[in-house]
Amino acid sequence: AQKITQTQPGMFVQEKEAVTLDCTYDTSDPSYGLFWYKQPSSGEMIFLIYQGSYDQQNATEGRYSLNFQKARKSANLVISASQLGDSAMYFCAMSDSNYQLIWGAGTKLIIKP
Amino acid sequence: DVKVTQSSRYLVKRTGEKVFLECVQDMDHENMFWYRQDPGLGLRLIYFSYDVKMKEKGDIPEGYSVSREKKERFSLILESASTNQTSMYLCASTPPSSPYEQYFGPGTRLTVT
Repeated sequence: AQKITQTQPGMFVQEKEAVTLDCTYDTSDPSYGLFWYKQPSSGEMIFLIYQGSYDQQNATEGRYSLNFQKARKSANLVISASQLGDSAMYFCAMSDSNYQLIWGAGTKLIIKP
Repeated sequence: DVKVTQSSRYLVKRTGEKVFLECVQDMDHENMFWYRQDPGLGLRLIYFSYDVKMKEKGDIPEGYSVSREKKERFSLILESASTNQTSMYLCASTPPSSPYEQYFGPGTRLTVT
């Protein structure tokens, strides 16, 4: 069965430091996608970054990068130079062959000034 | 920009009431989804729809039904609300050109007393 695991329920990070949010996945499909979403306290889900299973290079979007290690089935999100506005819940998700997303439980990130 | 709206941000209902949660998207997306979000459980798919009048059960459809009479509108119905349906409900849509990336509404926090 497909599954997403986020082992860090919460993290505190000092402002301007880099932070890595862990995500491991399990699937038998050769074709899949991996996503990260941010959910601020206001509640809306904001798409951050996408990695396809056949992509050779790690995805990057501004300060966000996805550290994709296929053999280890991990898709960690790296945020460089963290900012106070990065404080939020972060969700890792994986798409299945029916285009549905399977979600992890989330990690609450708090950036300390 | 894609816009997904939900009828209410906060809703309080009594046990046994019939509850309607409305979701509207303005970008002619074919795929629409209803999730509920609970702490520690991430997002769980309730129902989704690939087209008008089409609906498919997600992972937790019990106690819910849906309606999609128009392409832009996807309604979630709680026939007889119960306290265990107290949750955050999120609607999402995806275009056919990018079936993986989901655009979310702001969420409805439903409390059933």
